[in-house]
Parts: sequence; C-alpha cells; structure tokens
Amino acid sequence: ETGVTQSPTHLIKTRGQQVTLRCSSQSGHNTVSWYQQALGQGPQFIFQYYREEENGRGNFPPRFSGLQFPNYSSELNVNALELDDSALYLCASSLVGVDGYTFGSGTRLTVV
Amino acid sequence: KNEVEQSPQNLTAQEGEFITINCSYSVGISALHWLQQHPGGGIVSLFMLSSGKKKHGRLIATINIQEKHSSLHITASHPRDSAVYICAVSGGETSGSRLTFGEGTQLTVNP
Repeated sequence: ETGVTQSPTHLIKTRGQQVTLRCSSQSGHNTVSWYQQALGQGPQFIFQYYREEENGRGNFPPRFSGLQFPNYSSELNVNALELDDSALYLCASSLVGVDGYTFGSGTRLTVV
Repeated sequence: KNEVEQSPQNLTAQEGEFITINCSYSVGISALHWLQQHPGGGIVSLFMLSSGKKKHGRLIATINIQEKHSSLHITASHPRDSAVYICAVSGGETSGSRLTFGEGTQLTVNP
C-alpha cells in the first residue's frame, strides 16, 4: 500500500511568480484535499478534488487553483505569489464517504 | 471564535508523566481526529473517533459527543513523544469531508 507523496519538499520562489505543487494519492483513495499551514498555526482548508472536479473550497482567492488527474493524483497551482503565501502545503487523500485521511509530508514554500 | 479549540497551546513534561491535551468543538461532526505532526511537517493520523474511547499503546483518546469535547492522553510519556498534536473534525453539515483543524499543542517531553 503506497502512501501520499508530495513534491517538491522545499521550494523558494520570488513574489509575483507562479508555482505548481504535486501530490500522489494513496492507493484506493479517490479524493484529494489541500491545506495551507502557516508557521505556528493549524492547517487551513484550501480545496478538495473528487472525480477530477473541485468539490469544496475554503476561503482562498482564485489565484489558488488545482487539478485532479484520472489516477487521482493532484496539483495545486498558485499564481502571482505573495509573501504571505509562504507556508507548508499539505495534501491529504481519502475515499469519498469514508472518514479517514492519509497525509503527505508537505511542501514548504518560501516566497521572497 | 475558532470552530475547534485546543488547550494547552504548549506543554512541557518530564519523562514518565501522564499528559492530557484537550479539544473542544462548536460544530456538528461525524468524526474527530487526533493527529501528530513532527518538525519535518508530515502529519500522522493517531485516532479517528465518533464516540467513546480508543487506545493504542500508551495513547488514549476519548470523546464526549454531548459536551463536544475530546481528550488525548499519553501515559508514561517519553522524549520521542515530543511533537505537535492536532485535533481536527470532519463531517459537519457545512464542512462535509474536509477537515477543520485546531491550532495544535506543542508537546515537549524532557528526559
């Protein structure tokens, strides 16, 4: 049984640039959720993808967008990066209708 | 007021001590989750509860649905238990399957 893999693990970008983060879901899971965790805070829900469509969104602007692929892996894209986007981005996979989540190790994004 | 509140925010203990971390929530849920986060950032699921009590090794989690309160206990604490412990809820009418997290409790266990 494979876990959730996120890439890259660390990333440094300049303000105004665009970034793509990747997540592979656990085998058997069909839903992927993305969370942003600022330093010293709990994770905040960005959005969730199920059957390649967005299935719920938190309080994040449209410059945060995502994709889910037929193999249930997912991407998080952030355009026009701001300094406040610096955070740990976590991906979690699950099976719709079943409580239970598997988390990746996260991507630490630094915007300078 | 956050939908999920944890206390304490920080906790320092001596090896061997009994530890309790508390979590209160203000929304309807289908499940409450206790998670562990190490300095590298990865999150590990410890427990998922919808009622009663669960035990795994030295860890015990309880939930009181009527009072909307849960506790995580660590018996005979060890320095390797040092981590951030996070409470999260899922399954509310508005939140669905997304997780709503507390701020976390930083636990440090000294030898």
